[in-house]
Amino acid sequence: AQSVTQPDIHITVSEGASLELRCNYSYGATPYLFWYVQSPGQGLQLLLKYFSGDTLVQGIKGFEAEFKRSQSSFNLRKPSVHWSDAAEYFCAVMPNTGFQKLVFGTGTRLLVSP
Amino acid sequence: EAQVTQNPRYLITVTGKKLTVTCSQNMNHEYMSWYRQDPGLGLRQIYYSMNVEVTDKGDVPEGYKVSRKEKRNFPLILESPSPNQTSLYFCASSQLRESSYNSPLHFGNGTRLTVT
Repeated sequence: AQSVTQPDIHITVSEGASLELRCNYSYGATPYLFWYVQSPGQGLQLLLKYFSGDTLVQGIKGFEAEFKRSQSSFNLRKPSVHWSDAAEYFCAVMPNTGFQKLVFGTGTRLLVSP
Repeated sequence: EAQVTQNPRYLITVTGKKLTVTCSQNMNHEYMSWYRQDPGLGLRQIYYSMNVEVTDKGDVPEGYKVSRKEKRNFPLILESPSPNQTSLYFCASSQLRESSYNSPLHFGNGTRLTVT
């Protein structure tokens, strides 16, 4: 069965510093990969997605993620974090059969210190 | 405005009292799904629907029912709620056409349910 691991439950980053959130997946073939962000009291918003092609994908709000097949990873990065980035971030994987099998990781809560 | 609307946002109820959480989308999406979010467990799928009158179980369907009589609505029904169903619930929808994988999963703002 496919699974997604986000090893960091909480991460604290100083405002202006760089950020990397880790995501590893377990799946037989290369799945489709997503990062979502959840602000307090809100639903989830798509940051970026990877289906194929260029392994470095750009998303909204200045985020990017790199797919590394050899490491089964899809880490999220941002070069300079803003206080408004404080939120919970979810990695998700989906086989090419569709959204009915979308599986989420357990999430990483990002705290931004002044 | 394209959106997924859930009601209510907050609900406190007692064990065994039937309740329904409504979900409506205005984007003519074929696919709709319910998730529950619990600390340390992420989002887990309860039920999903590929189109009208087509529903199927997700990973944690026990204690829940759904129906899809109209394309826009996908209510979640708890016939006899129990305290272990205290959670944050999200409805989501998406297109399912050939190009659908470029279409994001749209989420509602959530319903926080407490069962005492």
